[in-house]
Amino acid sequence: GAVVSQHPSRVICKSGTSVKIECRSLDFQATTMFWYRQFPKKSLMLMATSNEGSKATYEQGVEKDKFLINHASLTLSTLTVTSAHPEDSSFYICSARGPGLGEETQYFGPGTRLLVL
Amino acid sequence: DAKTTQPPSMDCAEGRAANLPCNHSTISGNEYVYWYRQIHSQGPQYIIHGLKNNETNEMASLIITEDRKSSTLILPHATLRDTAVYYCIVRLPYSGNTPLVFGKGTRLSVIA
Repeated sequence: GAVVSQHPSRVICKSGTSVKIECRSLDFQATTMFWYRQFPKKSLMLMATSNEGSKATYEQGVEKDKFLINHASLTLSTLTVTSAHPEDSSFYICSARGPGLGEETQYFGPGTRLLVL
Repeated sequence: DAKTTQPPSMDCAEGRAANLPCNHSTISGNEYVYWYRQIHSQGPQYIIHGLKNNETNEMASLIITEDRKSSTLILPHATLRDTAVYYCIVRLPYSGNTPLVFGKGTRLSVIA
């Protein structure tokens, strides 16, 4: 299957700082990328959808000024958590879809665990 | 997307077949059934999908009832590494920007 990577795999930061998470599609062009968040023992919750070169579409209740998403190329999307607080501590997972893969499938990265102290 | 119902948890003995049920009684005629799983602290992994015929790949088999209102994912010889949360999702294929929406899934525990 197609490969999606995330970096870093885990990060610890101080409250008030910003953290950037990268999501890369390694062997395909990701025309659409999705960002999810997952709290312990809960299911994945969609945060936003982004298309290459366009502004992201955020789900209701997700602050677009706090969770900045950039999808500037067909292989890279970034999520920046600005002014992070302890309640932002979570598991962040990106996912990608692109032409030629069989668009019926959606591939996921390994996730980034964020801990805000 | 149509809603799915799965049991919250199941146990399976190692080496035995794991049969995970999913109800999707409101599925529409052109919606597919997808299965993903998530091993602890990892991203979800695609397993299999189908429309109405039974499907099999190297990971699992998918059995869809004739009325398409329910399906069963079968792991023929479960191993400890199959312990994960399994998600059944129904959606239209080739949906462009429409993302996968995850329910609560079934937590499968494979026991030695």
